[in-house]
Amino acid sequence: DSGVTQTPKHLITATGQRVTLRCSPRSGDLSVYWYQQSLDQGLQFLIQYYNGEERAKGNILERFSAQQFPDLHSELNLSSLELGDSALYFCASSVSTASGANVLTFGAGSRLTVL
Amino acid sequence: GQQVMQIPQYQHVQEGEDFTTYCNSSTTLSNIQWYKQRPGGHPVFLIQLVKSGEVKKQKRLTFQFGEAKKNSSLHITATQTTDVGTYFCAATGPGGSQGNLIFGKGTKLSVKP
Repeated sequence: DSGVTQTPKHLITATGQRVTLRCSPRSGDLSVYWYQQSLDQGLQFLIQYYNGEERAKGNILERFSAQQFPDLHSELNLSSLELGDSALYFCASSVSTASGANVLTFGAGSRLTVL
Repeated sequence: GQQVMQIPQYQHVQEGEDFTTYCNSSTTLSNIQWYKQRPGGHPVFLIQLVKSGEVKKQKRLTFQFGEAKKNSSLHITATQTTDVGTYFCAATGPGGSQGNLIFGKGTKLSVKP
């Protein structure tokens, strides 16, 4: 158990639908990141939040949105789902090292299947 | 945007053989991190390199950061079946030290017993 909790673990839905993925970071971590991993693909950075504020944005589609709440948990909302959105969605939280770089702790992921 | 290129994409080795994956950037990196993702699992942090020319070892794993801080490598000596997985390098994105991590596409290692 990494300390980062993601729900649900698996989700099957239809095209055009909307889903919400939830993430609770490790205790004490203020930053939350969302990554998308398609089959045999790398980790595509979607978005980062730090203490409730959006910090960095990657290749996140307009159909996707996220937020981080005062209790630091985060939600990733995916709407108007398409077949190509089927992927593993990872949440990670971070603590800064002495060098200032962020070391990520990943959750187990939420596997989304769009039929 | 900043990118890190990782090669090879796949590597198949016989157990006991060595393995190396390389990570390259066109820009100078402030630091580089390596992660391992076992099949069906999530990425797990292995190590971070910060200094030019830095070399760190973890048992059979040797990590290097280039002198120009534009490349890095992970070398595994005498691979074992437990080394199977995908190895990712990651560099700090444009947001600076508090920003996101940009991951390479990873090298998928398979080990034949």
